[in-house]
Amino acid sequence: DGGITQSPKYLFRKEGQNVTLSCEQNLNHDAMYWYRQDPGQGLRLIYYSQIVNDFQKGDIAEGYSVSREKKESFPLTVTSAQKNPTAFYLCASSTFPRGGNSPLHFGNGTRLTVT
Amino acid sequence: QKEVEQDPGPLSVPEGAIVSLNCTYSNSAFQYFMWYRQYSRKGPELLMYTYSSGNKEDGRFTAQVDKSSKYISLFIRDSQPSDSATYLCAMTTGNAGGTSYGKLTFGQGTILTVHP
Repeated sequence: DGGITQSPKYLFRKEGQNVTLSCEQNLNHDAMYWYRQDPGQGLRLIYYSQIVNDFQKGDIAEGYSVSREKKESFPLTVTSAQKNPTAFYLCASSTFPRGGNSPLHFGNGTRLTVT
Repeated sequence: QKEVEQDPGPLSVPEGAIVSLNCTYSNSAFQYFMWYRQYSRKGPELLMYTYSSGNKEDGRFTAQVDKSSKYISLFIRDSQPSDSATYLCAMTTGNAGGTSYGKLTFGQGTILTVHP
């Protein structure tokens, strides 16, 4: 089955520690994205990558970092600089057609709790 | 003012009811409109995807876009308990190859409960 795998499903960390969330896709999609979901605020874009070895900041990139060394993988690191890291993190991917737009496909998320 | 406004609800309806979910937006450059359904503790799944104004029907679901009013709707006919979920509207300018490509702007989500 093709899809997006996020791991782990639940993650607990102490304040001040960096933590890396995994995202792998086997859909052969070019573009990958990280969104953060908080109650009452919808989804907000953290980072996105349209091709390997290239990525751009989204609307709330501060305190986060990413890498895109392989087409299939787009890990997100939540650093100790992120002031409010507790949230539900969603990874998504899409094709990159020459025209028009391609909707996003999402993984099942990682719920990060920092205490 | 947020770019996309969606009534968070919660909305509770009896089984069989017609459900209307709505979003308004302020950015006239939005061209592509989506509705996602999200079950508890899961990722959003794409329900409907439309471009430009008009209606699109898929089974019990109808998506409506009115670009002149900057208003989109999702109608669910003959609602079922399995429709209970959070519904998210999303939209993008769809500038393929440009910096805005694939960047969706989401509404806050409407929590829907359909009770038997």
